[in-house]
Amino acid sequence: GEDVEQSLFLSVREGDSSVINCTYTDSSSTYLYWYKQEPGAGLQLLTYIFSNMDMKQDQRLTVLLNKKDKHLSLRIADTQTGDSAIYFCAEKLQGYQKVTFGTGTKLQVIP
Amino acid sequence: DVKVTQSSRYLVKRTGEKVFLECVQDMDHENMFWYRQDPGLGLRLIYFSYDVKMKEKGDIPEGYSVSREKKERFSLILESASTNQTSMYLCATSATYEQYFGPGTRLTVT
Repeated sequence: GEDVEQSLFLSVREGDSSVINCTYTDSSSTYLYWYKQEPGAGLQLLTYIFSNMDMKQDQRLTVLLNKKDKHLSLRIADTQTGDSAIYFCAEKLQGYQKVTFGTGTKLQVIP
Repeated sequence: DVKVTQSSRYLVKRTGEKVFLECVQDMDHENMFWYRQDPGLGLRLIYFSYDVKMKEKGDIPEGYSVSREKKERFSLILESASTNQTSMYLCATSATYEQYFGPGTRLTVT
C-alpha cells in the first residue's frame, strides 16, 4: 500500500528558510499536498502539486517534486513565528478519494 | 467558505461507554472522512463515505462504526470505548481534490 514518510521535527530561526521533506511510495499518485495544522485546529490545505509538475511557487512557498526519487519538499522563505505548526505531506491516488497522510513535521521557529 | 463542524472539542468518557462523534458540513460535499491523529503516527483513516448510507473501511476500522443518514452529517460511533481509543478525531469532507477539516475532537477514555 501507499506510504508517506516525513521527519518529525524541524527547528529554524526567524527569517531563515525552512525546508520540509517528504517521501512517498506510490508512483501513480495524482495529487501531492502540503497541509498545515496550527495548535488546536484542524488541517488546512497550504498548497498542492500535480504529479506531472516539477515545481510550484506560491508567495513564500515553493514545492519541489522529484518523481524519480519520489521526493516532495516544501520550502518556506523568510520563516515567521506564525509559521510554527505541524506540516503534513499527503498523496492521493488517481481514481480514489482516499488521501494518505504522512506523520507530520513539527516546525519550530525560534525568534 | 466550507464549514465543517464537530459536535465537541473535548470529550471524556469511561471505558465501555458508547460514544458518538458527529460531523456536519454545509457544502453539499459527497465525500466525508473520519481520521484519528496520534503523535508520531500522523492521520490514519478510520472510515469514509462517498454518499448517503454508503461507507467504506479505512486503514483502522476495528472498534469503530459509522452512520451517514443525511448527506451533511457523518457520525463516528465507538460501540464500547477503550483506553486505546484516546486520541484526536478529525472529520473531513471533499468534493474534488481538496479535503476540508473540522477542528477536531479530543477524546479521552478513562
